[in-house]
Amino acid sequence: EPEVTQTPSHQVTQMGQEVILRCVPISNHLYFYWYRQILGQKVEFLVSFYNNEISEKSEIFDDQFSVERPDGSNFTLKIRSTKLEDSAMYFCASSVGQPYGYTFGSGTRLTVV
Amino acid sequence: QKEVEQNSGPLSVPEGAIASLNCTYSDRGSQSFFWYRQYSGKSPELIMFIYSNGDKEDGRFTAQLNKASQYVSLLIRDSQPSDSATYLCAVNPANQGGKLIFGQGTELSVKP
Repeated sequence: EPEVTQTPSHQVTQMGQEVILRCVPISNHLYFYWYRQILGQKVEFLVSFYNNEISEKSEIFDDQFSVERPDGSNFTLKIRSTKLEDSAMYFCASSVGQPYGYTFGSGTRLTVV
Repeated sequence: QKEVEQNSGPLSVPEGAIASLNCTYSDRGSQSFFWYRQYSGKSPELIMFIYSNGDKEDGRFTAQLNKASQYVSLLIRDSQPSDSATYLCAVNPANQGGKLIFGQGTELSVKP
């Protein structure tokens, strides 16, 4: 069964450092998303991406965040200057369209120290 | 602020019983509704989606939608210990592309 692949599975970084989280969506999917889940809390929407541009973003997705699809397969989330409160599980997801549900990747656990 | 509300549980049912999970949402224009299962430390896994009023069945799972009451539910028949997980309700609000708003999740425990 096709999968959404995320790397790394766990990243530890110092406060103020830049991190890039990587995702390979399912190949025939057209819509891409990043979500995060702080431990014990809800899954929160960050950003959606379609046709090589951001289609929606949340209040969380401020100037410290950016997304990119540098080639035909990868989809990345960059956090420019990490804060302690950015510590969370970050999930990439993709879908073939709406209203079909997403397939989530296995996540990257980001720990900011 | 668009909200999705679930009872956090834990909901405990014996093996073989029917588990009933409920969700309410605030945005009356919401288009589609999803149930995800999340095991501890893992990513959400899609169980099913529904976008028309009424029932939708898939194996042991039935989703029910009542847009007038802004209510969606998930029934799990013949519950198994392997169904023990957190069940997340997610809603696609109107005019927000594919964005999903998730509820807090209901923790289900199926006792052998």
